[in-house]
Amino acid sequence: GDSVTQMEGPVTLSEEAFLTINCTYTATGYPSLFWYVQYPGEGLQLLLKATKADDKGSNKGFEATYRKETTSFHLEKGSVQVSDSAVYFCALTGNAGKSTFGDGTTLTVKP
Amino acid sequence: GAVVSQHPSRVICKSGTSVKIECRSLDFQATTMFWYRQFPKQSLMLMATSNEGSKATYEQGVEKDKFLINHASLTLSTLTVTSAHPEDSSFYICSAKTSGVNTEAFFGQGTRLTVV
Repeated sequence: GDSVTQMEGPVTLSEEAFLTINCTYTATGYPSLFWYVQYPGEGLQLLLKATKADDKGSNKGFEATYRKETTSFHLEKGSVQVSDSAVYFCALTGNAGKSTFGDGTTLTVKP
Repeated sequence: GAVVSQHPSRVICKSGTSVKIECRSLDFQATTMFWYRQFPKQSLMLMATSNEGSKATYEQGVEKDKFLINHASLTLSTLTVTSAHPEDSSFYICSAKTSGVNTEAFFGQGTRLTVV
């Protein structure tokens, strides 16, 4: 079946540091790829998405590129802020509409 | 994007009672909806696939008699946690799948259930 492997956390960075959270996947067909963010006690928020190979999703300074050759969708941000502290989930959605999530990576940004 | 509304967002219930959670697609019809569960500090796991007009398909290890799913219309699926116990306390989230060429799943806001 489909699977998503996400970089283990937690990740602790200083403000304005560069962020990378690795994500790789296995899937049949051509899934869409997503990054979601979850703040403490809240639901999932879609951060960005890419629906086909070589697409780049971007939002709020975060970026991720759908790399079919390496089956990866790594999340990056050039300069993190304290407000970016949250749990980040990489996920894929297959053609049937089912979503498979990574284990989540907790990011803490210190001032 | 399309909007999926989930209600309630939080619920506290007594052990032994039942709780119903609604998932509505507000601006599109969804023949298929999905229910996920997230335990504290864990990822989301698919519980079941809800199909309009037919029985839900449950993932292995999910008790169908405990988690009743009804998908009576193209815009509404409900999840009823029957005879809830403290170990059922969790975050439940639904998604609804659009139809057509570029199908996509949209998530509700989630429901935090606490059983006391």
